[in-house]
Amino acid sequence: NAGVMQNPRHLVRRRGQEARLRCSPMKGHSHVYWYRQLPEEGLKFMVYLQKENIIDESGMPKERFSAEFPKEGPSILRIQQVVRGDSAAYFCASSPTTIGTGLRGYTFGSGTRLTVV
Amino acid sequence: KQEVTQIPAALSVPEGENLVLNCSFTDSAIYNLQWFRQDPGKGLTSLLLIQSSQREQTSGRLNASLDKSSGRSTLYIAASQPGDSATYLCAVSLKTSYDKVIFGPGTSLSVIP
Repeated sequence: NAGVMQNPRHLVRRRGQEARLRCSPMKGHSHVYWYRQLPEEGLKFMVYLQKENIIDESGMPKERFSAEFPKEGPSILRIQQVVRGDSAAYFCASSPTTIGTGLRGYTFGSGTRLTVV
Repeated sequence: KQEVTQIPAALSVPEGENLVLNCSFTDSAIYNLQWFRQDPGKGLTSLLLIQSSQREQTSGRLNASLDKSSGRSTLYIAASQPGDSATYLCAVSLKTSYDKVIFGPGTSLSVIP
């Protein structure tokens, strides 16, 4: 079991470019969560997705950020027209169910470190 | 709204000292709480997971306690070593419509040889 796979591990983008971050959940997991960690801060919840559905996007910035989790393939976090303030580590987690297991069901990926130059 | 805080924000101790990291949360309706370690530029390493019905968990030199009614957890590290230097994060999973996880801001620990 390969765990939660995130790629790329490191991503450098110039201001104004698009960044696409990928997250492949653990086998058998159909729920994906994205978190952002700004420098010297904790992880902040961004969005929770199930296959083909966004369930909770309360932590997503209102502009330039979008997420999807298609029926086939990985979940994608997309950042359009990146700015320096988007530089952060983006972590993905997956779980097999939504209710009752809490952190016991969560598996975190190793993160993608985005640097905007 | 659930908020998770951690005190202190940073801590520097000489090698060999016992130390305590604190985590507080505002809403006691949680499934469980977990302590993680994060090294600079790296991912999360799970340390201890405490279910809401449990009072504490132990692993080697680490002991984590949970007082759900007061919204507090502590991570006790015995006989600290330079290799313990890292950021320690606590996280809680909420009893909402789904198992939402909220993280604290972390405590940065430096153990001086």
